[in-house]
Formats: sequence, C-alpha cells, structure tokens
Amino acid sequence: AQSVAQPEDQVNVAEGNPLTVKCTYSVSGNPYLFWYVQYPNRGLQFLLKYITGDNLVKGSYGFEAEFNKSQTSFHLKKPSALVSDSALYFCAVREWEKGTYKYIFGTGTRLKVLA
Amino acid sequence: KAGVTQTPRYLIKTRGQQVTLSCSPISGHRSVSWYQQTPGQGLQFLFEYFSETQRNKGNFPGRFSGRQFSNSRSEMNVSTLELGDSALYLCASSATGQGGEKLFFGSGTQLSVL
Repeated sequence: AQSVAQPEDQVNVAEGNPLTVKCTYSVSGNPYLFWYVQYPNRGLQFLLKYITGDNLVKGSYGFEAEFNKSQTSFHLKKPSALVSDSALYFCAVREWEKGTYKYIFGTGTRLKVLA
Repeated sequence: KAGVTQTPRYLIKTRGQQVTLSCSPISGHRSVSWYQQTPGQGLQFLFEYFSETQRNKGNFPGRFSGRQFSNSRSEMNVSTLELGDSALYLCASSATGQGGEKLFFGSGTQLSVL
C-alpha cells in the first residue's frame, strides 16, 4: 500500500525566512503526489501536484515542491515565509485500489510563521 | 461557481444516537469522497461515490455508511455513535475522481459526541 509520512508535527519559521515542510513517500510505481493547505475552520485547498516531468513543481501562493526519487521525498518550500502562511499542511499520494483511485494523506504539519 | 457545501457546520450528539451529514459537490462534479479528520491522525478515507455507486471504501466499521443521489449530492450516516467518532468530517469533490485531478474540499462538519 502507498503511504506518505510527515515527520514534523510543527515547523516554526520567522517571517521572511525560507520554509520547508517535509514529506516522504512509499509507493510502488510512479507516484502522484500532492500538497494541500488547511486554514482554520476551513477545508483543504490544493497547492500543487507532481505527476511527471520537471522535479520542481510550482504551485499557488508562491509555494513549490521538489520531487526527489532517490530520497523518496516531496518537500514543500517557499523562499520567503509570510505570517499568512501559518496553517496546517498535508502531503498526499494517489493510490490505485479496487479498480479506482483514492488519496492517502499524511498526518499534517502545522506551520507557524512568526512576525 | 459555488464551492463544495457541507451541512450542518456543527453537530452535537450523544452516544448511541445516529447522525446524517450532507455534502453538495461543485456543479458538474460526479465524484464525492468523505474523510474523517482527527488531531494526530490526519485525514482517514471513508468512502468514495461516483454516479450513485460506491467505488471504494476505507477501513471503517459498518456503522459508517453513505450514499449519493442522482444530482451528485451525497450523504454520510453514522449509526450508534461512539465517543471516538468525534471528528471533523470533510467531503471532497472532483470531476471524475480519476487521473491527477485535484480535490475540492468543503469546510467540513464538526461532530462532537458526548
């Protein structure tokens, strides 16, 4: 079965500094990987996805993620953090099961950007 | 285009009761999936419906059930509620649920079981 792991429950970063939220995956075959963000009292919002091609994927709100096959990682990055980036971030992988797809989510990483 | 709408926003129930949650997907989306979100567990997949048929189901007991109507609206039912069922229940829609589609999530229903 496919899985993703987010090793950090929380990440703190100062405003203006670069941020990284880590995700590692375990899949058979070529992975479809996603990042979603959840703001307080809201559902998840799509940030970006990797299917194939360029290992550096650009997404919404200035976020990007780097796919690294040898390290089985898909870390989310942003060059300069904003206080408004403070939220809960989820990594996800698509899995084929029972003749259809489903999405497996990580446990989430809370990002806190300090002013 | 209206987003995914979930009702009610909050629910308080007692153990043993049952509850029904509703989800209206984005117009034109035919796939609706449900997730349970709890602190520390992340999102756990409950089930997915497409064109009124359940296509996939997660590892939850039979007390959790769902259905989808011809207009793609979906309901989720939990019978004989337990304290551990307290969670945020999210639904997500997509056009087909296949390929590399992104999911569109509702704001969720926060269920508290006392």
